[in-house]
Amino acid sequence: AQTVTQSQPEMSVQEAETVTLSCTYDTSESNYYLFWYKQPPSRQMILVIRQEAYKQQNATENRFSVNFQKAAKSFSLKISDSQLGDTAMYFCAFMKRGGSNYKLTFGKGTLLTVNP
Amino acid sequence: DTGVSQDPRHKITKRGQNVTFRCDPISEHNRLYWYRQTLGQGPEFLTYFQNEAQLEKSRLLSDRFSAERPKGSFSTLEIQRTEQGDSAMYLCASGLAGTTDTQYFGPGTRLTVL
Repeated sequence: AQTVTQSQPEMSVQEAETVTLSCTYDTSESNYYLFWYKQPPSRQMILVIRQEAYKQQNATENRFSVNFQKAAKSFSLKISDSQLGDTAMYFCAFMKRGGSNYKLTFGKGTLLTVNP
Repeated sequence: DTGVSQDPRHKITKRGQNVTFRCDPISEHNRLYWYRQTLGQGPEFLTYFQNEAQLEKSRLLSDRFSAERPKGSFSTLEIQRTEQGDSAMYLCASGLAGTTDTQYFGPGTRLTVL
């Protein structure tokens, strides 16, 4: 079974600054995806960024980038130029590729507050 | 593309009552998932459909829970004889096999059992 650990329950950052959210995971699988999802207050969960484990290059999406360290089983999210709209709960998630199920295993989340 | 929709958005019920939730996935998506999210936790997998076939059920899904996806389109999740411990946000997600395997979430149904 896979486990995902987010060790920072809450973080805060000043608007326009950079913040990094941590995520570690445990798995014996070699072929998998990792995701960061964002859940704003009272709003639905949306995908922030996705990483395929076989790709060594770190994924980037505009102001969002990841630091994927496969050997260390670490998958951190960096948010540059933080904006007030980035305030949300951020979830790290694991998905095994192949087999009969593509379920997501989530961490407990990190509540990020961006302050003006 | 209207995204994943869920109905109702909120449900308050008394212990012992039955409730049913509906999820409409993105139209071309053949995979559909149900998750449960309690306060302060990440979502937990409940069950998964590919087309109309229910391929996996979590141990979290007791006998009081049943899910269907007739004709591989919308899905329903029914909870019989609700208990206070069933109070949670129930999330539906859909995806398309053979693509990026990304799941797209609906807004959820918040269940409160009194």
